[in-house]
Amino acid sequence: QKEVEQNSGPLSVPEGAIASLNCTYSDRGSQSFFWYRQYSGKSPELIMSIYSNGDKEDGRFTAQLNKASQYVSLLIRDSQPSDSATYLCAIFKDYGGSQGNLIFGKGTKLSVKP
Amino acid sequence: EPEVTQTPSHQVTQMGQEVILRCVPISNHLYFYWYRQILGQKVEFLVSFYNNEISEKSEIFDDQFSVERPDGSNFTLKIRSTKLEDSAMYFCASSARTGITEAFFGQGTRLTVV
Repeated sequence: QKEVEQNSGPLSVPEGAIASLNCTYSDRGSQSFFWYRQYSGKSPELIMSIYSNGDKEDGRFTAQLNKASQYVSLLIRDSQPSDSATYLCAIFKDYGGSQGNLIFGKGTKLSVKP
Repeated sequence: EPEVTQTPSHQVTQMGQEVILRCVPISNHLYFYWYRQILGQKVEFLVSFYNNEISEKSEIFDDQFSVERPDGSNFTLKIRSTKLEDSAMYFCASSARTGITEAFFGQGTRLTVV
């Protein structure tokens, strides 16, 4: 089982609609979850972090976490063409002490049509 | 706004040559990472570095790879004898604390091995 799974898309939504991006993970012990946005040829850009069950809102973005279901999602409200990018779900794999690293999913490509 | 900077942005090298990729992490960060992304694939963890030593490394990070923090600001990744399959985007990242705080990525170095 892959550690972080995402639907690769592409997910196409019209401008102004809500885009819903989903991610599941296999490690029940994971505590930290992140969404990164990556434009083609560019580096991952952090857009949201979430650590507790429930919703976390930041502007047009809402991250949702359900640890029991091992499920993280990202909602983008009022989608804009500039939101067109690949969205990477990442979990922090903690080895204890000062050891750990991010594990990324393959990403979901979002296309927002004007 | 503080950012992670990487040089060069693009490096072309002959197979078998040594390359050094350079990074300047965010100044008050303590944890440093190298990730790579082969074209069309997911972001993969290579190595994490804390307190002047490697904290964790992946299977990709074999004896051909090494990291160093030669002074108080730079963090380098060396590939001793490059192979064609080392062609990828290499991202440096840093975080203030491990796990529960966000990691920020540099703009990446595109390494092309010919």
